[in-house]
Amino acid sequence: GENVEQHPSTLSVQEGDSAVIKCTYSDSASNYFPWYKQELGKRPQLIIDIRSNVGEKKDQRIAVTLNKTAKHFSLHITETQPEDSAVYFCAAPKPGGSYIPTFGRGTSLIVHP
Amino acid sequence: SAVISQKPSRDICQRGTSLTIQCQVDSQVTMMFWYRQQPGQSLTLIATANQGSEATYESGFVIDKFPISRPNLTFSTLTVSNMSPEDSSIYLCSVSGTTDTQYFGPGTRLTVL
Repeated sequence: GENVEQHPSTLSVQEGDSAVIKCTYSDSASNYFPWYKQELGKRPQLIIDIRSNVGEKKDQRIAVTLNKTAKHFSLHITETQPEDSAVYFCAAPKPGGSYIPTFGRGTSLIVHP
Repeated sequence: SAVISQKPSRDICQRGTSLTIQCQVDSQVTMMFWYRQQPGQSLTLIATANQGSEATYESGFVIDKFPISRPNLTFSTLTVSNMSPEDSSIYLCSVSGTTDTQYFGPGTRLTVL
């Protein structure tokens, strides 16, 4: 099976609402979990990341939570704005030691004004 | 974060020909990777470019089709050989240092006719 599973594949919200994207991973030894935002025609940009020694990290309107027991981590965006519309990818390390990430399938977030 | 450039930014090629993509970083980095991103899809790792030795390829990718060089810590090339229309995609290099955080280049949009 896949190393990283991401849900939902698409998410449509009204401006001002919150958005949550969830990823699950398979390797319990994984210790670094980044989230990337990719706007149309542009490169993926790191927006937030979390390491396995903490359960939550916030940066203004975005936050990431990590549940090591359940092996899932989530991206939370509050007070969404139209410029948050993009594809979001989570990543987790491939099993085996040195950090080489596997990316989720992506979530297309659409924020309606 | 590192400044990463790729050349060319886009190209249109005839089937059966080869294209070499260059990736240049403005500082020495530990890891360099090459990804493929097909339209509307996630990021698929082709290989890890190893400085001074052969690249490490992921399942489904072979050196004869995607030869990679990394002569030093700031530069790498990916060649797409004997191209077919199925090779039409965006090719991205990425780099990471000692913290596992990955940064992506702007990508090369390849169209094979």
